[in-house]
Amino acid sequence: TQLLEQSPQFLSIQEGENLTVYCNSSSVFSSLQWYRQEPGEGPVLLVTVVTGGEVKKLKRLTFQFGDARKDSSLHITAAQPGDTGLYLCAGVDNFNKFYFGSGTKLNVKP
Amino acid sequence: DAGITQSPRYKITETGRQVTLMCHQTWSHSYMFWYRQDLGHGLRLIYYSAAADITDKGEVPDGYVVSRSKTENFPLTLESATRSQTSVYFCASSDSPLAGYNEQFFGPGTRLTVL
Repeated sequence: TQLLEQSPQFLSIQEGENLTVYCNSSSVFSSLQWYRQEPGEGPVLLVTVVTGGEVKKLKRLTFQFGDARKDSSLHITAAQPGDTGLYLCAGVDNFNKFYFGSGTKLNVKP
Repeated sequence: DAGITQSPRYKITETGRQVTLMCHQTWSHSYMFWYRQDLGHGLRLIYYSAAADITDKGEVPDGYVVSRSKTENFPLTLESATRSQTSVYFCASSDSPLAGYNEQFFGPGTRLTVL
């Protein structure tokens, strides 16, 4: 059983569309991270959110941490083909142990 | 080279054989992790280590052994490989969370096939 549930699992959209990826859990985390992974490579950190209700923006990407620190969302505005990849959320507990979601595979078509 | 490296990058072995995957990092990060990645499961933690000589089990430790005699190295051994251990294995490291910064840096992965 996955501690963190991500949805959707797959997303195929046209360039210019907006999308939102969700990461939900019944557990509280000290922080939550979002990673992006390209084929044949390891994941790379996009953002860390720590405070309940926190919103962080990274260019066209907006990350939100739920008030109860159990869930998070990633919103991409005007998606581009370069955004294609696997997006992973990870909850971090008080012992620096990481729990990854199953990932959202995004394909942005030109 | 600076960073985190894994070797080998690809490995094919047979059921019952012992296999060791190597991981080396040059940042002197206190934490190191081993994950396996399978379709539909994301990354699952096998073992992690908070410092040299300190290791702890993750979600899926059965069939794996780790050691950490030096801060920079964290080898993962499959004592008797099984087909279900066919996967892509990632090593990662991070600084201590007490420093207020715990980004994980991942190696390039080892693709292991057990026949």
